Amino acid sequence: NAGVTQTPKFRVLKTGQSMTLLCAQDMNHEYMYWYRQDPGMGLRLIHYSVGEGTTAKGEVPDGYNVSRLKKQNFLLGLESAAPSQTSVYFCASSYFGTGNNQPQHFGDGTRLSIL
Amino acid sequence: QQQVKQSPQSLIVQKGGISIINCAYENTAFDYFPWYQQFPGKGPALLIAIRPDVSEKKEGRFTISFNKSAKQFSLHIMDSQPGDSATYFCAASRPSGGYNKLIFGAGTRLAVHP
Repeated sequence: NAGVTQTPKFRVLKTGQSMTLLCAQDMNHEYMYWYRQDPGMGLRLIHYSVGEGTTAKGEVPDGYNVSRLKKQNFLLGLESAAPSQTSVYFCASSYFGTGNNQPQHFGDGTRLSIL
Repeated sequence: QQQVKQSPQSLIVQKGGISIINCAYENTAFDYFPWYQQFPGKGPALLIAIRPDVSEKKEGRFTISFNKSAKQFSLHIMDSQPGDSATYFCAASRPSGGYNKLIFGAGTRLAVHP
């Protein structure tokens, strides 16, 4: 039982390049999230999904796109990377339930540097 | 605009001492307050959480104190150990768009010295 797995763990890009970050969960969770973590700013939500085939914008969505074609996978794309997108990216998942406050389970992150 | 303010940014405590991290919020719609613990190179993991109808919750050496009128809550780590050295994030949650929107504080880096 791996939980939430993120690939790759590290990546260096040049400005303008594109890439996709992969997230997979094996807990059959309905909800999935992408966050970025920057020093002194905590974690900020980029996009989220409440189920297969659905996505929605979070707090800082500009410059990112997402897709959830399968329940267990949530992809984060950068179409044209910018230095301001240098960050550590975390994927998380949780069970359904606004009233139950299900805990979010996080992966170990992808450290992305854009030169 | 930070909806959840966390202090201090960093904290050094001697082994066996008490670590205290404080958080404050403004939005009264928040109805769930979790604390996450993050070790270097790992993702955050839920440590302990509290609802606003409870003033205190204790799990082992970790205690959350909650002051609803002051809109403040804090994490106390009793008998702090070197293994507690990590970054701690407070968070506040409210229902939004069909899921529980989680707003994180900026984090506190705790170092427990032997």
